[in-house]
Amino acid sequence: DGGITQSPKYLFRKEGQNVTLSCEQNLNHDAMYWYRQDPGQGLRLIYYSQIVNDFQKGDIAEGYSVSREKKESFPLTVTSAQKNPTAFYLCASSGQVGAGNQPQHFGDGTRLSIL
Amino acid sequence: SQKIEQNSEALNIQEGKTATLTCNYTNYSPAYLQWYRQDPGRGPVFLLLIRENEKEKRKERLKVTFDTTLKQSLFHITASQPADSATYLCAPGSSNTGKLIFGQGTTLQVKP
Repeated sequence: DGGITQSPKYLFRKEGQNVTLSCEQNLNHDAMYWYRQDPGQGLRLIYYSQIVNDFQKGDIAEGYSVSREKKESFPLTVTSAQKNPTAFYLCASSGQVGAGNQPQHFGDGTRLSIL
Repeated sequence: SQKIEQNSEALNIQEGKTATLTCNYTNYSPAYLQWYRQDPGRGPVFLLLIRENEKEKRKERLKVTFDTTLKQSLFHITASQPADSATYLCAPGSSNTGKLIFGQGTTLQVKP
């Protein structure tokens, strides 16, 4: 079945530690996204990528980094500079950013907590 | 700044009734609007898309309206069932960027 796989489902971070969240898709989609979801708030865009080896900052990129070396993969690193990392992180993909009105397909998220 | 507002209070209705959820937006002129369903601990699932030149869109028991004058979209579920209980997110989008802005969602509880 085609879809998006996020791992791990739960992740714990120690002070001063960087952690990397995995996102893999087999939908052959060009565009991929990372969102953060906090209780009572909408999804906020962290980073997005339209094609391999290219990505742009979203609304809340500070303290995060990404890479897009392969079409299928878009890992997110939560760095120690992100002072409030506890949240539910969602990865999504769509056919093509800028093509407009294409639905996004989401993974089932990674819940990150501070130890 | 662009703002998307959905009813923050949960909507509780009886099985068989029609649920109506509201999405209002300000400082924004989206070219289209998408609706998603999210279950606890899961990622959102796409339901419907409506474009700015469409007044209404239907899919089975779902109906979406889009009023660009009122800057509002309404999402209706007819003949609601307990399995419809979930959080529903609206997400207007720009044709220029292709990016979506998500509302905070409205939680629907359908009681048997």
